[in-house]
Amino acid sequence: GDSVTQTEGPVTVSESESLIINCTYSATSIAYPNLFWYVRYPGEGLQLLLKVITAGQKGSSRGFEATYNKETTSFHLQKASVQESDSAVYYCALGDTNAYKVIFGKGTHLHVLP
Amino acid sequence: GPKVLQIPSHQIIDMGQMVTLNCDPVSNHLYFYWYKQILGQQMEFLVNFYNGKVMEKSKLFKDQFSVERPDGSYFTLKIQPTALEDSAVYFCASSLRGYEQYFGPGTRLTVL
Repeated sequence: GDSVTQTEGPVTVSESESLIINCTYSATSIAYPNLFWYVRYPGEGLQLLLKVITAGQKGSSRGFEATYNKETTSFHLQKASVQESDSAVYYCALGDTNAYKVIFGKGTHLHVLP
Repeated sequence: GPKVLQIPSHQIIDMGQMVTLNCDPVSNHLYFYWYKQILGQQMEFLVNFYNGKVMEKSKLFKDQFSVERPDGSYFTLKIQPTALEDSAVYFCASSLRGYEQYFGPGTRLTVL
């Protein structure tokens, strides 16, 4: 079936360190999946962080970036230098453009220490 | 940015009762969704809704569940009757064209 697997949390890093949260997907019933990273900051609703709809392309937002790799079926989230305000739960997700539903990973809780 | 609101934020009811969860989507959006997240598990798709009809529903969308959006007002999820396993956080989302969905903060439903 269609699924998303991401780094088990919590992940703790210090401010200004680099970050990578791994995400791999399986899209057996979706011909052209779209890939997303969503984020939930403490006390807030889920927000779209970035999206990539074409294999081989890179998306970026707020210093985060992720590349849609069809060969390795991966969409890892990276940031060169994290800030304390990046502390949140990050969700990798797969979108079905036909059915307009989103399949989520379990989420990775990121703690950034000052 | 655009906001989706959900009312109430928390609902506690007895098993067997009916509950209606309300979603106030982004005003010009056309597609509406419900997702369910059980504590410690991932958020899972329940149903999507467009032009007054359900487009697709997952196997989690039991016969006791129904959705509607009467006269462009709230998009609602009704569960009648509720069961213990319905305890979860329910997230509403809306989108203009499809997959770029905006999510609400969730309604935590506790069934006793």
